Amino acid sequence: DVKVTQSSRYLVKRTGEKVFLECVQDMDHENMFWYRQDPGLGLRLIYFSYDVKMKEKGDIPEGYSVSREKKERFSLILESASTNQTSMYLCASSRPATSAYEQYFGPGTRLTVT
Amino acid sequence: AQSVAQPEDQVNVAEGNPLTVKCTYSVSGNPYLFWYVQYPNRGLQFLLKYITGDNLVKGSYGFEAEFNKSQTSFHLKKPSALVSDSALYFCAVRDKGGGFKTIFGAGTRLFVKA
Repeated sequence: DVKVTQSSRYLVKRTGEKVFLECVQDMDHENMFWYRQDPGLGLRLIYFSYDVKMKEKGDIPEGYSVSREKKERFSLILESASTNQTSMYLCASSRPATSAYEQYFGPGTRLTVT
Repeated sequence: AQSVAQPEDQVNVAEGNPLTVKCTYSVSGNPYLFWYVQYPNRGLQFLLKYITGDNLVKGSYGFEAEFNKSQTSFHLKKPSALVSDSALYFCAVRDKGGGFKTIFGAGTRLFVKA
């Protein structure tokens, strides 16, 4: 069974802290994604990676960075957390993104920044 | 630019009745279309997709969706709703010639009443 795991289900951080969200997939997928999910806004793409050490900005990359040192792992970094980054963060993976392949999602990390 | 509209924030239906969750899209080229479902406190799960060919697509849990090119719609349907179908449903589109980005709708919450 395909699996995407995220390091934390719930996280509470203080404003200004550096935050790391980790995602691991066991399907040998080339592509990995980070989204944030907010009510009424659906999913918005933060960053996408199509290979190790390769990344592309999504729609809302400001305030975030990513790291992909190994194929199975994709990390999202909040350099200096702010209250407007309180959200649900979803990681996903897929086969080549320019094809019809669907994405497989992790359970999500609900981040609260106080 | 690609976009997805889910015109209903919420759909209420009685158990045993047919259900429809609406989705319209806009892409410059030909679309790949997807439906995902999110159960409480869980990540998104893939339900079904349209690639090409037959306009009626069948997916998981008895769901199906009809692609209508002239109306640019991809409505999700099920002949007989179950209480366990209550969840948040997302429609998504990717332009076949448009790279890696999948655009998600804002989501429709389905309530099935016993």
